[in-house]
Amino acid sequence: QSALTQPPSASGSPGQSVTISCTGTSSDVGGYNYVSWYQQHPGKAPKLVIYEVAKRPSGVPDRFSGSRFGNTASLTVSGLQAEDEADYYCSSYAGSNNFEVFGTGTKVTVL
Amino acid sequence: QLQLQESGPGLVKPSETLSLTCTVSGGSISSSSYYWGWIRQPPGKGLEWIGSIYYSGSTYYNPSLKSRVTISVDTSKNQFSLKLNSVTAADTAVYYCARRARIAAAGTNYFDPWGQGTLVTVSS
Repeated sequence: QSALTQPPSASGSPGQSVTISCTGTSSDVGGYNYVSWYQQHPGKAPKLVIYEVAKRPSGVPDRFSGSRFGNTASLTVSGLQAEDEADYYCSSYAGSNNFEVFGTGTKVTVL
Repeated sequence: QLQLQESGPGLVKPSETLSLTCTVSGGSISSSSYYWGWIRQPPGKGLEWIGSIYYSGSTYYNPSLKSRVTISVDTSKNQFSLKLNSVTAADTAVYYCARRARIAAAGTNYFDPWGQGTLVTVSS
């Protein structure tokens, strides 16, 4: 099972929006409604920001939104703020023995 | 508030066995709605799922590591553990433990919360 493909970097100015893609296959991203997104600040543990493609855990700002089209999921951060600067990882349930596959990660820079 | 904390040696010699324990506090490990998992992150690289365990002892491993990995659970201590044998420098990473929602019971799948992580270096 290969890692999901994400762009290495993305950036935007404060107040703008940035969208990160996460491309997999019909065996993972496209096959199940279980795509999650995690935010990771330097030296910190990942934090769940989106689950089940587009749901936000309580406490996560509504500036974070998720979507999916076919085998590609996306995370959009609207109204960028300085604290949104972090690494973002997607992940997907991949069936077969409860396998979980993570994305390659995207570094978001707030200009 | 559920919290997870990893513990174990920070330095392991090549060919030896890496052993880590995750202690769960603020909730029971014997919940039907969750698995308990290990994820690792080599320095400067991405996340890799290692495996998960249910409180009954059922285990699920990443096929790429399956031959070297054992995950176990001790419900009396509210802990679960990771053993990775025959380690090499490629196993140097921050190791995280996390709670994983169980689709069959919770109807969803995600890792939350995570422990703070512990760096394990493989070196002689």
